[in-house]
Amino acid sequence: EVVLTQFPGTLSLSPGERATLSCRASQSVSSTYLAWYQQKPGQAPRLLISGASSRATGIPDRFSGSGSGTDFTLTISRLEPEDFAVYYCQQYSNSRLTFGGGTKVEIK
Amino acid sequence: QLQLQESGPGLVKPSETLSLTCTISGGSLSTSTYYWGWIRQPPGKGLEWIGSIFYDGSTFYNPSLKSRVTISVDTSKNQFSLKLRSVTAADTAVHYCVHIHPRMYYVAHWGQGTLVTVSS
Repeated sequence: EVVLTQFPGTLSLSPGERATLSCRASQSVSSTYLAWYQQKPGQAPRLLISGASSRATGIPDRFSGSGSGTDFTLTISRLEPEDFAVYYCQQYSNSRLTFGGGTKVEIK
Repeated sequence: QLQLQESGPGLVKPSETLSLTCTISGGSLSTSTYYWGWIRQPPGKGLEWIGSIFYDGSTFYNPSLKSRVTISVDTSKNQFSLKLRSVTAADTAVHYCVHIHPRMYYVAHWGQGTLVTVSS
C-alpha cells in the first residue's frame, strides 16, 4: 500500500504570503493519479488539483501543483483569507485510494 | 450536475452493522463513466477510503476494512450502499459517498457527509 506523508502538519502564515505544501509517497506514484483537496470545517473536501498539476474547474490560478515520482507539491502563491483550511493529497494505485494525513494552513 | 446524498442511522450500537445508502441525482448509476465509493473521516482526523464499486458491480475495498465491508448497487433506485459489520467506537466518523473519476481516480463529487456514531 502506498503511504502518503504530508508536511508540515501545520503551516502558520499571513494573508498574502506564499504557501508550499508537500506530499511524499512511500513508493513512486503516477502523476496521473495524484490529486489535492481543500477542506474547511464542517464541509466536504473540494477538489483543487488532479493529475498532479491540473486545476479543477473554478479553482483560482494562485493554486498550482507540481511534482513527480514520490514528491509532490501544492503551492498557493498568495494566500487569501478563504484559503485557510486543511489540504489533503490523494493517490490511486493497485485499485486502492490513499490520502495523506493533511496539512493545516492557519492564520499567523 | 451530479449530486449525491447519504442517508441512514446516525447511531449504531457496538458489534452491530452500519448501513448507509447514497442516492444519486443528475446522473445514472449504471453508465460506464461512473465509479462510486465511500470515504470516512473520524472527528478531527483525516480521510480514509473505505471502498469503491464500478458500474459493472466490481468492488475494491480498503484492506484494513475488507473483512467487514460490503458495497453494493441498486440500479433501479439509482443508489449504492455501504454495510460495515461488527462496528466499534473506532468506526465513528463522518461518512461520505463519492463519485470517483473512472480514469484518473480522483474524487470528482462528494456527498455532504453523514456522521455515524457507534455507541451503546
